[in-house]
Amino acid sequence: AQTVTQSQPEMSVQEAETVTLSCTYDTSESDYYLFWYKQPPSRQMILVIRQEAYKQQNATENRFSVNFQKAAKSFSLKISDSQLGDAAMYFCAYRSAFVSSGSEKLVFGKGMKLTVNP
Amino acid sequence: DGGITQSPKYLFRKEGQNVTLSCEQNLNHDAMYWYRQDPGQGLRLIYYSQIVNDFQKGDIAEGYSVSREKKESFPLTVTSAQKNPTAFYLCASSTFGGVEYFGPGTRLTVT
Repeated sequence: AQTVTQSQPEMSVQEAETVTLSCTYDTSESDYYLFWYKQPPSRQMILVIRQEAYKQQNATENRFSVNFQKAAKSFSLKISDSQLGDAAMYFCAYRSAFVSSGSEKLVFGKGMKLTVNP
Repeated sequence: DGGITQSPKYLFRKEGQNVTLSCEQNLNHDAMYWYRQDPGQGLRLIYYSQIVNDFQKGDIAEGYSVSREKKESFPLTVTSAQKNPTAFYLCASSTFGGVEYFGPGTRLTVT
């Protein structure tokens, strides 16, 4: 079974600085998707960024970018120019790309709380 | 307004009572999911459905039941058999193989 590990339960960053959130995963599959979701105090889960494993190019979305290291099974999220609104829980998630029973399920890490200091 | 709605936002029940949480989507998504979130935990999958009239157990299905009679709706019943029902419940939906989008959640408190 696939697992996702977020080893840092909490991090803090100064406003306007850059911060990197780490995530590692374990899988024997060759094709899959990786996601970062953000959960602000409202508790709404919001998709931040998505990476397809067969694409070597790292995904970017405005101030958010990932460092995807397939061989190392590492998927870190970099937030540039941090803003107060970035303060939230961040969850890393994995989903298989193979169409079979259960492949549509997301497997989540336990999350990491990011604090942004003014 | 396209999206996923969950109602109510807060729900209080006495122990021993069954309670049903609502989840509706107008995104025309085939797949729908129910997750449970506890403090300090990630999301754990309760049930999911890829098509109307079909659903599968997730990792923590015991004490829960679902139905999928319409594409738009995937209600979750928390039964009295669920030993620790107090939690935050999130519903999500996706196209087949697509990104999961989440509703705003329901906070259930059982006393």
